[in-house]
Amino acid sequence: DIQMTQSPSSVSASVGDRVTITCRASQGISSWLAWYQQKPGEAPKLLIFLASSVQNAFPARFRGSGSGTDFTLTINNLQPEDSATYYCQQANNIPLTFGGGTKVEIK
Amino acid sequence: QVQLQESVPGLLKPSQTLSLTCSVSGGSISSGSYHWNWIRQSAAKGLEWLGHISASGNTNYNPSLKSRVTISVDTSKNQFSLTLTSVTAADTAVYYCASGYLSNWFRVWGQGTLVTVSS
Repeated sequence: DIQMTQSPSSVSASVGDRVTITCRASQGISSWLAWYQQKPGEAPKLLIFLASSVQNAFPARFRGSGSGTDFTLTINNLQPEDSATYYCQQANNIPLTFGGGTKVEIK
Repeated sequence: QVQLQESVPGLLKPSQTLSLTCSVSGGSISSGSYHWNWIRQSAAKGLEWLGHISASGNTNYNPSLKSRVTISVDTSKNQFSLTLTSVTAADTAVYYCASGYLSNWFRVWGQGTLVTVSS
């Protein structure tokens, strides 16, 4: 199985800050990576696919980058509604696997 | 836009069989371009993909579940189902159905249903 390792596990930042979350795959997955946003009591929502394509429902302050084994989710100009847990997921190999999540809190 | 809704299984006892159904609305489950997935989430294991089925009936499962899991499609009801045998407390989780279009990521999710296994 491909292991997905996210860091940090949690981050606290102020409104307007830039937040960076990293995701590392245990083997190369090209650009077959997705990011999800999950708020308490809700199902995850697809945020980014193919490593850098942002879903239409999300604002442009969300940015994904990377390929191979190292990926980054950047949230620019952090807003209160961005408070959530973010997960990466590799879509290259079966079984499909997720990272452990990064909780983003607003100071 | 496809929408998904999981059934509510109730409380299970260890060794019983979990059966969940996901009802699909806003689209046909017979569309050849979709994968129909089951995913669960627990505090212990986080998000765990259980498996998926295509409209043609081809399945892929997570090997960690060995032979306990089966996913099937009922095109007449526009539903797909999960069966998990010999459940234990470790199977306690929120279970989600999710769809992926031409890909192995999950664009549409059901609201999730809590499954509790307890004696």
